[in-house]
Amino acid sequence: AQKITQTQPGMFVQEKEAVTLDCTYDTSDQSYGLFWYKQPSSGEMIFLIYQGSYDEQNATEGRYSLNFQKARKSANLVISASQLGDSAMYFCAMREGFTGSARQLTFGSGTQLTVLP
Amino acid sequence: GAGVSQSPRYKVAKRGQDVALRCDPISGHVSLFWYQQALGQGPEFLTYFQNEAQLDKSGLPSDRFFAERPEGSVSTLKIQRTQQEDSAVYLCASSENRVQPQHFGDGTRLSIL
Repeated sequence: AQKITQTQPGMFVQEKEAVTLDCTYDTSDQSYGLFWYKQPSSGEMIFLIYQGSYDEQNATEGRYSLNFQKARKSANLVISASQLGDSAMYFCAMREGFTGSARQLTFGSGTQLTVLP
Repeated sequence: GAGVSQSPRYKVAKRGQDVALRCDPISGHVSLFWYQQALGQGPEFLTYFQNEAQLDKSGLPSDRFFAERPEGSVSTLKIQRTQQEDSAVYLCASSENRVQPQHFGDGTRLSIL
């Protein structure tokens, strides 16, 4: 089974509008972290926002917020007031567990966001 | 610079050649990761270092792949006898510790002819 599922291969949004990018995850760990990264066409992965599984409040970073619904195992990214520079591929990722040595991220397949002028 | 630096940015090699990809992490970052990203896909984990110790290499696809970080800073990913399926972007990431978010470099785009 996929650990991270992003069901929207592509999304379009009008400039200055808000957009929600979907992410669902699958884990049996009680402790885990959820991340969103932005990857422009230049290729760099840019960290946007983090949500810990024990965090009671949804994470926010500027125009980015994470709609965390633990019971539904979803961690959707909301971008408010979209800008042309937001056009990029967006990846949801998960890090499982706080014990053991491995700390790798498991990524979804991504959503290509295009902001229209 | 302040970010993760990877070189070369692009690498073209003939099938069968050996290649070496370099990663210079953010200064002081203990954890270093290598990922492989195929076209149109999300990155996939290859290997993890904590300082100079390679603690997890479960993602390396074959024994042709080898990574090292001898002094706990710069890391090199080496691929021997390259195959066409090795063509991908190789991303390096570092973090302060096991909990902090990972910061990625621009990647090395490897093309095997």
